[in-house]
Amino acid sequence: NAGVTQTPKFQVLKTGQSMTLQCAQDMNHNSMYWYRQDPGMGLRLIYYSASEGTTDKGEVPNGYNVSRLNKREFSLRLESAAPSQTSVYFCASSERQGGPYGYTFGSGTRLTVV
Amino acid sequence: AQSVTQPDIHITVSEGASLELRCNYSYGATPYLFWYVQSPGQGLQLLLKYFSGDTLVQGIKGFEAEFKRSQSSFNLRKPSVHWSDAAEYFCAVGAKNTGNQFYFGTGTSLTVIP
Repeated sequence: NAGVTQTPKFQVLKTGQSMTLQCAQDMNHNSMYWYRQDPGMGLRLIYYSASEGTTDKGEVPNGYNVSRLNKREFSLRLESAAPSQTSVYFCASSERQGGPYGYTFGSGTRLTVV
Repeated sequence: AQSVTQPDIHITVSEGASLELRCNYSYGATPYLFWYVQSPGQGLQLLLKYFSGDTLVQGIKGFEAEFKRSQSSFNLRKPSVHWSDAAEYFCAVGAKNTGNQFYFGTGTSLTVIP
């Protein structure tokens, strides 16, 4: 099915370990986003990429890095995981930055840092 | 700054009853407004959106929402709820000059009683 694919779906890390969350979309969307979802806090933007070759910080970028590998793929890296990064991570894409374009979300990565 | 408030953390309705989920936003100009639904363990799915024109918008799964500028509200409604509507619902606001910054509410959890 067309859409946004995230891998892995579940991950347990030890404090200090690193990992990369992968995201790919096949809708030829220009813009891609990484959000984290925590209970009672809704979704908070970590990083976004308005178009291939550009990335920008969102609301909560500390502890994360991103790479827009090509138009399809946008990865999120945790260099040294901390328990505060335990969360559900969602990748999303949209046709273009801003405007009335809704997002298409992946099914999420549930990350636990112990 | 833009913000979204969903006053109800949790709502319980009986199957077949009507539903209204509240959403209030803060923004100086006409915003783009969205409702998303999240089933357990899934990503968010776009239900409907408003960006101009008719203030009553129809979405998928029999949902509708009405934009009321005077009340800064965008409430989601459904005339008759089905058990499969049990999920988390998120309101989001965006606008031209916010770029990629969609602001999500903290969500309303819907329980449907048979």
